[in-house]
Amino acid sequence: AQSVTQLDSQVPVFEEAPVELRCNYSSSVSVYLFWYVQYPNQGLQLLLKYLSGSTLVKGINGFEAEFNKSQTSFHLRKPSVHISDTAEYFCAVSSTSGTYKYIFGTGTRLKVLA
Amino acid sequence: DAGVTQSPTHLIKTRGQQVTLRCSPISGHKSVSWYQQVLGQGPQFIFQYYEKEERGRGNFPDRFSARQFPNYSSELNVNALLLGDSALYLCASSLESPPDTQYFGPGTRLTVL
Repeated sequence: AQSVTQLDSQVPVFEEAPVELRCNYSSSVSVYLFWYVQYPNQGLQLLLKYLSGSTLVKGINGFEAEFNKSQTSFHLRKPSVHISDTAEYFCAVSSTSGTYKYIFGTGTRLKVLA
Repeated sequence: DAGVTQSPTHLIKTRGQQVTLRCSPISGHKSVSWYQQVLGQGPQFIFQYYEKEERGRGNFPDRFSARQFPNYSSELNVNALLLGDSALYLCASSLESPPDTQYFGPGTRLTVL
């Protein structure tokens, strides 16, 4: 079984500052990793995903994440945030075989301050 | 191209009633998954269907059921509604069985009174 922990429920940050949203996972098997963003009253939009290969993954809107297998982490980073980045961010994992269901974390609310 | 569509957008039911939620995947996508998102939490996996067959089921009671039609659209049924079923129900489609990227619809907000 897999699980995902997003320790920070809320992250306030000033506009144009860098941000890191933390994600740690637990799994006894190989996993795929994802970050999704959810704007108010909307569905989830994929930011980036790690399936294999390079551990540094670049996504949309200037976000990137690094897969660290030894620390079982997949932290999301952006060097300079904008007001429009204010949203809920979810980390998710799925096994590389079987059902492929996504296991989501509880989410981190990023609030960008002017 | 149209994204994943879900209907209805909002729904209000009373305890004990039954509800059917509908999902139309992106054209050409053969896999549909359903998730329940309770306020303040991450989505929880309910079902996955691929080519009209159930490929996975989450830890939900038998009151929850789903099916996928030949055109790959899907329905989620919930019987004997409880207050705790109030949530945003999300449908996601992908071209093949996951881990191909899942594209999410806007969801159906179900309120059980």
